Amino acid sequence: AQSVTQLDSHVSVSEGTPVLLRCNYSSSYSPSLFWYVQHPNKGLQLLLKYTSAATLVKGINGFEAEFKKSETSFHLTKPSAHMSDAAEYFCVVSLKAAGNKLTFGGGTRVLVKP
Amino acid sequence: GAGVSQSPSNKVTEKGKDVELRCDPISGHTALYWYRQSLGQGLEFLIYFQGNSAPDKSGLPSDRFSAERTGGSVSTLTIQRTQQEDSAVYLCASSSGGPSTDTQYFGPGTRLTVL
Repeated sequence: AQSVTQLDSHVSVSEGTPVLLRCNYSSSYSPSLFWYVQHPNKGLQLLLKYTSAATLVKGINGFEAEFKKSETSFHLTKPSAHMSDAAEYFCVVSLKAAGNKLTFGGGTRVLVKP
Repeated sequence: GAGVSQSPSNKVTEKGKDVELRCDPISGHTALYWYRQSLGQGLEFLIYFQGNSAPDKSGLPSDRFSAERTGGSVSTLTIQRTQQEDSAVYLCASSSGGPSTDTQYFGPGTRLTVL
């Protein structure tokens, strides 16, 4: 079985300051991990994914995430928030052995203040 | 190229009616997934099709829900005798279905409201 916990349901940051979205996972096997973003009334867009290659993963729009097996974490960061980063972010885990079905975290809604 | 498309974008129906939701995956993608996004349950897996294999229906919440995929392409999710708790956004995703972990590309979703 696999599960994902996003530790913050809401995060508020000022424009130009760093963003940190926390994610912990549980999986019996080596999982693949993803971050997706959902802007209001839009579909889910992939930000980045980890599939057992480099532990530091760079994604689109300046986001990156680090896979830490010892901490079972996959936190998402961005050095400088932009107004367009206001959205909901989902940490996701999948297992190839389970048909790559995605298991989603509860989501973190990011508010960016000017 | 064209992404995943879903129709209708919005559907309002009365309790007890049947509804059909359609998904057109990215051309050439062999894997197709349905998910549901609701306020109470978040995002949850419903059903998965891979090529000609039998679908994985392990996420369907009740026998009122069914899905088919014709010709390995278009998929239809059917909800019979809709209930108010079925109100949600239904998302479809497709991937190339290769042996490695593939990115799933999502459609814009169908917002279902059951009155």
